[in-house]
Amino acid sequence: GNSVTQMEGPVTLSEEAFLTINCTYTATGYPSLFWYVQYPGEGLQLLLKATKADDKGSNKGFEATYRKETTSFHLEKGSVQVSDSAVYFCALYSGNTGKLIFGQGTTLQVKP
Amino acid sequence: DTGVSQDPRHKITKRGQNVTFRCDPISEHNRLYWYRQTLGQGPEFLTYFQNEAQLEKSRLLSDRFSAERPKGSFSTLEIQRTEQGDSAMYLCASSPLREATTGELFFGEGSRLTVL
Repeated sequence: GNSVTQMEGPVTLSEEAFLTINCTYTATGYPSLFWYVQYPGEGLQLLLKATKADDKGSNKGFEATYRKETTSFHLEKGSVQVSDSAVYFCALYSGNTGKLIFGQGTTLQVKP
Repeated sequence: DTGVSQDPRHKITKRGQNVTFRCDPISEHNRLYWYRQTLGQGPEFLTYFQNEAQLEKSRLLSDRFSAERPKGSFSTLEIQRTEQGDSAMYLCASSPLREATTGELFFGEGSRLTVL
């Protein structure tokens, strides 16, 4: 079945460091891929998305490229800030059900 | 702000009791979803509605769980005869139908259930 695997956390970085959070997926067909973020005390919110192979999603300085050949959708940011501290979830959507399948989440802690 | 709202935000109950959660989606969103999230895990799909019709239920949703969306507006999720394993955050999300094929859901802040 469809599944998403993320790197385990927590990931602890200093401010302005480079961030990579790995995400790989297993799916039949051609899923859409997402990164959602959950800031402390807030609900999940969409960070970025890509709907087909080689698409790059970007938002708030974060980027992720849909790599079909490696079934990956790694999240990157060139220079993290303390305000980026949150839990990041990779997710895939397949078919027309609107059913998102999430990875287990990766906690990012950015220290000043 | 008229985002997705959930009530109550926190519920502590004793094993064997029934609990009900309510979700008010963003106005005019056709689809409404329920997910469950346990500590250190990603959200797990439970069920979803398109307007008032419940279109899919996860195998995670035992017969103690029931969800409704009368009139296609707010939704309720009831858990009967709660067990300690039901302790989790219950998330509600909604989306307009035109976004349904792209997976962009708008989540509430969740209802945390603790079963003693």
